[in-house]
Amino acid sequence: DIQMTQSPSTLSASVGDRVTITCRASQNINSWLAWYQQKPGKAPKLLIYKASTLQTGVPSRFSGSGSGTEFTLTISSLLPDDFATYYCQQYNAWPWTFGQGTKVDIK
Amino acid sequence: EVLLVESGGDLIQPGGSLRLSCEVSGFTVSSNYMSWVRQAPGKGLEWVSVLYIAGDTFYGDSVKGRFTISRDTSKNTLYLQMDSLRVEDTALYYCARWGGYGYALDYWGQGTLVTVSS
Repeated sequence: DIQMTQSPSTLSASVGDRVTITCRASQNINSWLAWYQQKPGKAPKLLIYKASTLQTGVPSRFSGSGSGTEFTLTISSLLPDDFATYYCQQYNAWPWTFGQGTKVDIK
Repeated sequence: EVLLVESGGDLIQPGGSLRLSCEVSGFTVSSNYMSWVRQAPGKGLEWVSVLYIAGDTFYGDSVKGRFTISRDTSKNTLYLQMDSLRVEDTALYYCARWGGYGYALDYWGQGTLVTVSS
């Protein structure tokens, strides 16, 4: 199975900060990577697919980059609504696998 | 408006069976790729299963041989039959639509809770 490792596990930031989360795959997944945002008690929400394509309706302060084994999710200027947990997911091969999550909380 | 509503979660003893349902409105289940994802309490996301439009199915290693994904076209509903349940199957189970090759899980339900305990 392909292992997905996110870093950091927790990130403390302030409103207005630029935030970057990294996701590493244990083998080449091309660009078949998605990013999700999850708030407490809510279902995950798709932010980015194919490593860098913004899902319809997602604000442009979110961006994704990378290919192969290393990927990043960047929030250009953190808003109060962005404090949440973020997951990466590979869909290059079965079984699909998720990273362990990165919690973005208030500094 | 797209809506996915899961149901069927319950408290069940180890070794028991349960069938989860995911009622969909806003698109046709049989014309879309559908998936189940679970989340153990306080833990991360774990992909469980996918059902292709053509009927092919795939499962995560931890549920293979015990869980079965299916759909009812007349009810526009996705199912997850869960047999030989284990304590470690305790989780919130989400159904989600997979947009197809190149796409990701774009619509999600709110989840149904399965608790496996004696």
